[in-house]
Amino acid sequence: QVQLVESGGGLVKPGGSLRLSCAASGFTFSDYYMSWIRQAPGKGLEWVSYISSSSSYTNYADSVKGRFTISRDNAKNSLYLQMNSLRAEDTAVYYCARSRQPVHGGYYMDVWGKGTTVTVSS
Amino acid sequence: EIVLTQSPGTLSLSPGERATLSCRASQSVSSSYLAWYQQKPGQAPRLLIYGASSRATGIPDRFSGSGSGTDFTLTISRLEPEDFAVYYCQQYGSSPRGFTFGPGTKVDIK
Repeated sequence: QVQLVESGGGLVKPGGSLRLSCAASGFTFSDYYMSWIRQAPGKGLEWVSYISSSSSYTNYADSVKGRFTISRDNAKNSLYLQMNSLRAEDTAVYYCARSRQPVHGGYYMDVWGKGTTVTVSS
Repeated sequence: EIVLTQSPGTLSLSPGERATLSCRASQSVSSSYLAWYQQKPGQAPRLLIYGASSRATGIPDRFSGSGSGTDFTLTISRLEPEDFAVYYCQQYGSSPRGFTFGPGTKVDIK
């Protein structure tokens, strides 16, 4: 079945780095745009980053621009988020989610993973 | 940058009642670009409505979306016990491309 599974979360000190992964299965990964969305404890959803199906386009929320890098490997059906210079305010559950290509109406995210938890603390 | 505001912050209702949730955008949004999600504690969000009024696969017909321009509404016609959750609206930005979420409305049991 269609599935997204995140991994790579954990406890990291402020200023440290972490790389999240999202494994896709059950659909043609290379046909879809992908996003990372996070949710701080007790807070709402915050979109973090977005990558096109061919990796030609990426975008980031201002809160992570210059510190986080999104990438994908279509041969491995995998999405990644490299997080550097981590801050306490980056503590959150990180979800990956898919959307269709914009030309095909990809204006929403129809499949989400269950999330991986990142805690930034000394 | 378009900002989404949701009201009320919390809606306290009983099973069987009608829920009306509002999402207001700081500037006009294409209806195609407006979606609604449901999130229960400890779970990932689930897509309910896309294109402002189209139900996602498997979503019961008690959920409906409407609106245009800057004002959008999610209506749950008769609340079932499993509908008590937090609801988020989301809009898609085409330039630069990305997503924005509203702060959410919690529907809890009265």
